[in-house]
Formats: sequence, structure tokens, C-alpha cells
Amino acid sequence: SQKIEQNSEALNIQEGKTATLTCNYTNYSPAYLQWYRQDPGRGPVFLLLIRENEKEKRKERLKVTFDTTLKQSLFHITASQPADSATYLCARGAVSGAGSYQLTFGKGTKLSVIP
Amino acid sequence: DAGVTQSPTHLIKTRGQHVTLRCSPISGHKSVSWYQQVLGQGPQFIFQYYEKEERGRGNFPDRFSARQFPNYSSELNVNALLLGDSALYLCASTQSGTGSTEAFFGQGTRLTVV
Repeated sequence: SQKIEQNSEALNIQEGKTATLTCNYTNYSPAYLQWYRQDPGRGPVFLLLIRENEKEKRKERLKVTFDTTLKQSLFHITASQPADSATYLCARGAVSGAGSYQLTFGKGTKLSVIP
Repeated sequence: DAGVTQSPTHLIKTRGQHVTLRCSPISGHKSVSWYQQVLGQGPQFIFQYYEKEERGRGNFPDRFSARQFPNYSSELNVNALLLGDSALYLCASTQSGTGSTEAFFGQGTRLTVV
């Protein structure tokens, strides 16, 4: 089956450091990957989308990379702040044979930024 | 502009009962999808509706059903509730029904089955 794996359930990091979260995929090559932020009891919020032909994408303090050889995407938050503490979800979007568009999510990585 | 709105925010039901969850997408968005998120897991796809037609269904039993109305709002219905149906139910809207596009999620409905 097609899987999205986020190997780290939790990551603790000191304020000001760079947080790096990993997303691996197996059994397929997604055309693109998306990253979402989710706060407790809230719905996910879209952060970045990266296509397979893009090596890197940036948005303010956020950076995403896509390595099709390693089948991996890395999500970086530079100069991390306590307000960045949340669960970060990696997702693959795909259109099924029936024409539906659906996101397949990893379990997420809970990031805690310690002051 | 209002984002995706879901109601109710919290709900407690007894096993065997029926529940209806509601979602209003962002204005102009014609596609609504439903996801189930149990504690410690990522959201799992249940349904997608586009232009009032079901486009796809995830690996969920027939107790789960949904529909989309002419104004593109949507309802998710779950019959014969089980304890395992306790979860956060998320609605997401997208501008089109297909393609690489970001999804906008509502705040979710927290369903507890006792």
C-alpha cells in the first residue's frame, strides 16, 4: 500500500535552533507533497506544497525539500520559536481512478520548542 | 471571508445512535471532503463530494454516508455508532475537485461515543 511515514512522533528543540522534520514515502512516487500544521483540537492548516520537480521551497522561516532518490521530504523551521510548537503533518495528494482527490497523511510529528 | 465552518464543535452520543455533522465550505469552493482523525493519528479520508456528486470514498463501512447540497454545504451521517467512531471529524474544502491544491480545513467536530 502507499504510505506516508513520519518517523519521529515527537521532537524537542531549543528556541532559536532549526527544527528538521522528516517525511518518507513508500511504494509510489507522489507528484507533490504538502505540509500542514495542526494545533490541539483544531483542523490542519496548510503551510507549503512542493512538487517532485522542485528541489526546495521556502516561505519565511519555513523550508521544504523533496528528494525523489531518497523518497523523502524534509521540513525545516529556522530560528524556531515557542509559538511554532504544534503537530506537523506531511500529506500526499492524489487523484484516484474514480476521479476523487484525497490526501493521505502521515501520523504527524509533535514539535515542542523550549524557551 | 469566512473559512470552513463545522457544526457542532463537540458531540456526545451513545452506542447505536445516529449522528449528523455539518460543514460549510469556503465561498466559491465546490469540493468538500470529510476526514476522520483518531487520537495520535493523521486524518484519514472518508468521502469527497464535488458538484453535489460523490467522487470518492475511503475505507469506511456503509454506516458512513454523506451528501452535498446545492449551496455546496455538506452533511456527514454515521449510523449505529460504535465506540471506535470516537474521533475528530474534519471537513476540508478545495476550489476544484482535482489537482495539486491546498485544502482548507474546518476546526472539526469532536465526537465522543459512550
